[in-house]
Amino acid sequence: EAQVTQNPRYLITVTGKKLTVTCSQNMNHEYMSWYRQDPGLGLRQIYYSMNVEVTDKGDVPEGYKVSRKEKRNFPLILESPSPNQTSLYFCASSPPPGVNQPQHFGDGTRLSIL
Amino acid sequence: DAKTTQPPSMDCAEGRAANLPCNHSTISGNEYVYWYRQIHSQGPQYIIHGLKNNETNEMASLIITEDRKSSTLILPHATLRDTAVYYCIALVYNQGGKLIFGQGTELSVKP
Repeated sequence: EAQVTQNPRYLITVTGKKLTVTCSQNMNHEYMSWYRQDPGLGLRQIYYSMNVEVTDKGDVPEGYKVSRKEKRNFPLILESPSPNQTSLYFCASSPPPGVNQPQHFGDGTRLSIL
Repeated sequence: DAKTTQPPSMDCAEGRAANLPCNHSTISGNEYVYWYRQIHSQGPQYIIHGLKNNETNEMASLIITEDRKSSTLILPHATLRDTAVYYCIALVYNQGGKLIFGQGTELSVKP
């Protein structure tokens, strides 16, 4: 089954404790992206990757890092999490954007930073 | 990206067609219209997309006006499981593949 898998699904942690949210897709997609969703603000793009070793900032990249060492994985790293990063996070993947195919989303990761 | 405007909420009776409108009056010639939905806080689910012609798939139909300034998503026989927030997005895939989700339409399907 084609899917985007995020882990963990839920996490409560404390300010400053580094954490990584993993994202893996099994569709051999070149493009991957991270979004965060907050009440009243909708979904906003954090980072995206056009292919292995190619990443770029989205609209709200501050406080986040990403890496794309393999095609299937696109982890989101919070080096020093803060309470304003409490949010619902989604990973998405698709063929290259120019191919005009839809993005597939994971089920989400709910982070609470205390 | 073109701005899209949708009604904040709509109701539909179970078994009836749900017609969700979207205005995108500033859409340009190469901007596709995409529809996604989000059930509770699950990941957004792709429904359908189109450029000029009307489109149909197993989930829905998409009707795009000739001037491409508006479109309508049609769920032909709405069920309770179709209760969700529906997003209409007009997008050119040359800005990092970013999807700009507006506030969407909260569709409530009632028995």
